[in-house]
Amino acid sequence: EAGVTQSPTHLIKTRGQQATLRCSPISGHTSVYWYQQALGLGLQFLLWYDEGEERNRGNFPPRFSGRQFPNYSSELNVNALELEDSALYLCASTGRWQGTGELFFGEGSRLTVL
Amino acid sequence: DQQVKQNSPSLSVQEGRISILNCDYTNSMFDYFLWYKKYPAEGPTFLISISSIKDKNEDGRFTVFLNKSAKHLSLHIVPSQPGDSAVYFCAANTQGGSEKLVFGKGTKLTVNP
Repeated sequence: EAGVTQSPTHLIKTRGQQATLRCSPISGHTSVYWYQQALGLGLQFLLWYDEGEERNRGNFPPRFSGRQFPNYSSELNVNALELEDSALYLCASTGRWQGTGELFFGEGSRLTVL
Repeated sequence: DQQVKQNSPSLSVQEGRISILNCDYTNSMFDYFLWYKKYPAEGPTFLISISSIKDKNEDGRFTVFLNKSAKHLSLHIVPSQPGDSAVYFCAANTQGGSEKLVFGKGTKLTVNP
């Protein structure tokens, strides 16, 4: 069974540009989570999607947005990129039955903003 | 405000000895705690968890201890193996909530042969 897949693996952008990151959850999982791991920091919660709806978002500005598609895959968009947006962006998924917080993570997308 | 704290950025132990990774939390509403392990260039993987109704949970070489009064948990790895070298993240959650895990900054464990 395929795990959580993310693309691209690496992305280089310049300040002010937009970045789009993609995530495919494990088959059968309906919830997708996005986390940011900046250098020296832990995983910071960004967004949670379930059944196509945004259920919760972390303490990030509105230029961080996303969506979940009918096939449960998800997209994270970061507009007006700033240097401090350089980080590893991790996507995770869970099934509807998992209320304990165990997440299955992808390998991440490394975003570098120059 | 950091709700989950891992105060040791790194830990180095000898193969065969015990590794003890510590985690403190401030939010008394947390009632479920997890440890994740992360190798370089890979996503974090779930290792072990504990509910607040327990004070210990064991899975093979890995044991997690929870001290609710001190708002402290620890992960013990016995015996430590070189393959255990990774970054370990402590995370906390509130059951019935949004499943928004709160992670610590991680502790890098190095197990020396």
